[in-house]
Amino acid sequence: KNEVEQSPQNLTAQEGEFITINCSYSVGISALHWLQQHPGGGIVSLFMLSSGKKKHGRLIATINIQEKHSSLHITASHPRDSAVYICAVNDDKLIFGTGTRLQVFP
Amino acid sequence: DTGVSQDPRHKITKRGQNVTFRCDPISEHNRLYWYRQTLGQGPEFLTYFQNEAQLEKSRLLSDRFSAERPKGSFSTLEIQRTEQGDSAMYLCASSWLEDYNEQFFGPGTRLTVL
Repeated sequence: KNEVEQSPQNLTAQEGEFITINCSYSVGISALHWLQQHPGGGIVSLFMLSSGKKKHGRLIATINIQEKHSSLHITASHPRDSAVYICAVNDDKLIFGTGTRLQVFP
Repeated sequence: DTGVSQDPRHKITKRGQNVTFRCDPISEHNRLYWYRQTLGQGPEFLTYFQNEAQLEKSRLLSDRFSAERPKGSFSTLEIQRTEQGDSAMYLCASSWLEDYNEQFFGPGTRLTVL
């Protein structure tokens, strides 16, 4: 069993839809990261959180430490949100999930 | 540009050749990480440095792999006698430990071993 599990692996949506990506982890952590990776490989950090909820524009990330679960929400999705979203937990080094490939169609 | 940079961005080599990649972290960051990502997978940890000290190496890092950060600034990752299985994206990230270790990623070096 992987230490970081994401679901779903693939997700398609129509523009404007509300999107949720889930992440569960089995190790003790100091923080959890949500990352975005576009074709070509570049990784951008979206959120780093250790409790509660953070919001940035149309993106919202929540974490429940007791349940070892985090969610990334995208409101009013747009085709430019199409990317791979990766959950990673912080144990000095990062331990990554396999990612969720999101495609948003106009 | 004060972000993390990596060189080269792409490398094509023949099996058995040696390759070396360079990573320049954000200048004030004291930690530097190397990760490897194969197609369709999330990145996997290879090794990391705090200043010039290499603190941890993954079991993925065979004897053919070596990494250095001689002056606590840039780092190099060398792969000797490359194999086709080494084909991957090699990612570098840096962080300031005291800042909850938020990591900033470089663009990656894509290695193809023929």
